[in-house]
Amino acid sequence: DAGVTQSPTHLIKTRGQQVTLRCSPISGHKSVSWYQQVLGQGPQFIFQYYEKEERGRGNFPDRFSARQFPNYSSELNVNALLLGDSALYLCASSLWADGANYGYTFGSGTRLTVV
Amino acid sequence: GQQLNQSPQSMFIQEGEDVSMNCTSSSIFNTWLWYKQDPGEGPVLLIALYKAGELTSNGRLTAQFGITRKDSFLNISASIPSDVGIYFCAGPILNTGNQFYFGTGTSLTVIP
Repeated sequence: DAGVTQSPTHLIKTRGQQVTLRCSPISGHKSVSWYQQVLGQGPQFIFQYYEKEERGRGNFPDRFSARQFPNYSSELNVNALLLGDSALYLCASSLWADGANYGYTFGSGTRLTVV
Repeated sequence: GQQLNQSPQSMFIQEGEDVSMNCTSSSIFNTWLWYKQDPGEGPVLLIALYKAGELTSNGRLTAQFGITRKDSFLNISASIPSDVGIYFCAGPILNTGNQFYFGTGTSLTVIP
């Protein structure tokens, strides 16, 4: 079975541009969460979606938005990119909204570099 | 944001040695998870702990959920080269929903 898949794997953007990252959860998983991991730090929570509804939002500016589609895949959008947005963006899926009881399964991430 | 402090920050050990790392917080957790992350990859779940005082093993890995619910430790016995990576503790703080907080990470290097 395929795990959590993310695309693209690497991306280079210019300051001020917009970017869309994509995530397909494990088949049957209805919850998708997004995390930002800056080099040398642990992942930071951005969003959680369950059954197409936003269930949680971390401390990130409104430039960050996300959505979940009927097939449970998800997109993360970042507008007006800043140099500080350079990071590994991780998508994680779980069967239920309460990923705590099962642990999230993470994808390999999208490495975003803003120049 | 919430802080999960892991120690040590990095470790350099000889193959075959045992490893111990811990994670502390000022907040109460209702679940503790330990993840390992290899370069260029996402974190992979190693062990999950659900009750205060719980001691759980997964092969050479052993983890415990602290009695105060504010800490956890992870032990690796008889380390091997493939244990190299960054280890993170993580979990949802009590009554804050499903948002996971991750620790600062412990980087492990195993010298053959």
